[in-house]
Amino acid sequence: QLVVTQSPSASASLGASVKLTCTLSSGHSTYTVAWHQQQPEKGPRYLMNLNSDGSHTKGDGVPDRFSGSSSGAERYLTISSLQPEDEADYYCQTWGTDIQVFGGGTKLTVL
Amino acid sequence: QVHLVESGGGVVQPGRSLRLSCAASGFTFSTYAMHWVRQAPGKGLEWVAFISFDESVKYYADSVKGRFTMPRDNSQNTLYLQMNSLRAEDTAVYYCARGPLYSYDSRGAFDIWGQGTMVTVSS
Repeated sequence: QLVVTQSPSASASLGASVKLTCTLSSGHSTYTVAWHQQQPEKGPRYLMNLNSDGSHTKGDGVPDRFSGSSSGAERYLTISSLQPEDEADYYCQTWGTDIQVFGGGTKLTVL
Repeated sequence: QVHLVESGGGVVQPGRSLRLSCAASGFTFSTYAMHWVRQAPGKGLEWVAFISFDESVKYYADSVKGRFTMPRDNSQNTLYLQMNSLRAEDTAVYYCARGPLYSYDSRGAFDIWGQGTMVTVSS
């Protein structure tokens, strides 16, 4: 069964970096994922597509501060030089031919 | 500019029906797969349904299968979600989202999202 797991929360200081993790279920370690950001009271925003080899394609207008990487079944979203507007929920998404799956989301607090 | 705008949400009694719309602009709607995703209050994102660019293929989450349908009108650049036999657990903000170009299956990220429309199922 295709499952995506994310830590419920993370925090980091203004100007620092943070690395969010998304873990794919057993047998799905080669799957591509997408990362989305949802600021409070807003719809989600596509950040990037992230492949198993760490290559990634960002959405239009996504700042260079956002980057992705991969290791085995783990997919990472790294945000550097944290800004107040980065405080948001971050969702990892993956898919099969007839299904889409989201992780539970990580709530990022910028201290 | 690429936009998706949902409408049609509201308060509806359990067992009744509601139809949501998603108006697309700024891109060639007829060439993209589309999805509906919902988010219950205080909860995460839940995928609801997929439709291929030409309406030939549709997939639904188990939680809505048999109750929801997802037509599209490519001549009007509009996606719909027909929701029947609504339940309290269908209460959520409903988002439409764009899938890949010329896709016949559900694979691929959502690169454009709407702002959502709220559906409340309550007596």
